[in-house]
Amino acid sequence: DQQVKQNSPSLSVQEGRISILNCDYTNSMFDYFLWYKKYPAEGPTFLISISSIKDKNEDGRFTVFLNKSAKHLSLHIVPSQPGDSAVYFCAARFTGNQFYFGTGTSLTVIP
Amino acid sequence: DTGVSQNPRHKITKRGQNVTFRCDPISEHNRLYWYRQTLGQGPEFLTYFQNEAQLEKSRLLSDRFSAERPKGSFSTLEIQRTEQGDSAMYLCASQASGQETQYFGPGTRLLVL
Repeated sequence: DQQVKQNSPSLSVQEGRISILNCDYTNSMFDYFLWYKKYPAEGPTFLISISSIKDKNEDGRFTVFLNKSAKHLSLHIVPSQPGDSAVYFCAARFTGNQFYFGTGTSLTVIP
Repeated sequence: DTGVSQNPRHKITKRGQNVTFRCDPISEHNRLYWYRQTLGQGPEFLTYFQNEAQLEKSRLLSDRFSAERPKGSFSTLEIQRTEQGDSAMYLCASQASGQETQYFGPGTRLLVL
């Protein structure tokens, strides 16, 4: 059972425009959410996170929005840059320190 | 480099052989996780250590899999009698107490022929 879902396997965006990556989850007991970025042949790299008690967290070009009633979170990247091209995973923490990951969205930023 | 390191980076083995992977976490991190990632999927939780204690194990971790963290520093993941379905990327991550962020190593890619 996939508790964290990323329904878009890929996304292409023009450089300078906004990238919006989406993630849905099913377990209302998740208390913390994270986004990771992964380049080929490397492990995932932490990008940004949000606690379940907040609805927005911003860090430079990256903003994560959480809608608990819809069990939905999104990552906004503005402006998108070619170096942002990577696979993005969302992850959710269940109490007890188990983390569940989505299947990833491959972002391509076109120069 | 003070990040998480994993060895070997690649391993090719024949079905039925045993393999062992090593993870060296960030030195001050007392939590250590193992994940498995197959093509087109996200990392799947396998097991978790706090210091030397193995606190949680996924049902994905069959009895052919064993993990240790004997001194609360590095960890090993052993797979006995490997099967072709074990072919995957095995990722290790470490985390400091009180922090939510995990830091991942580069992974060990296993291919079972």
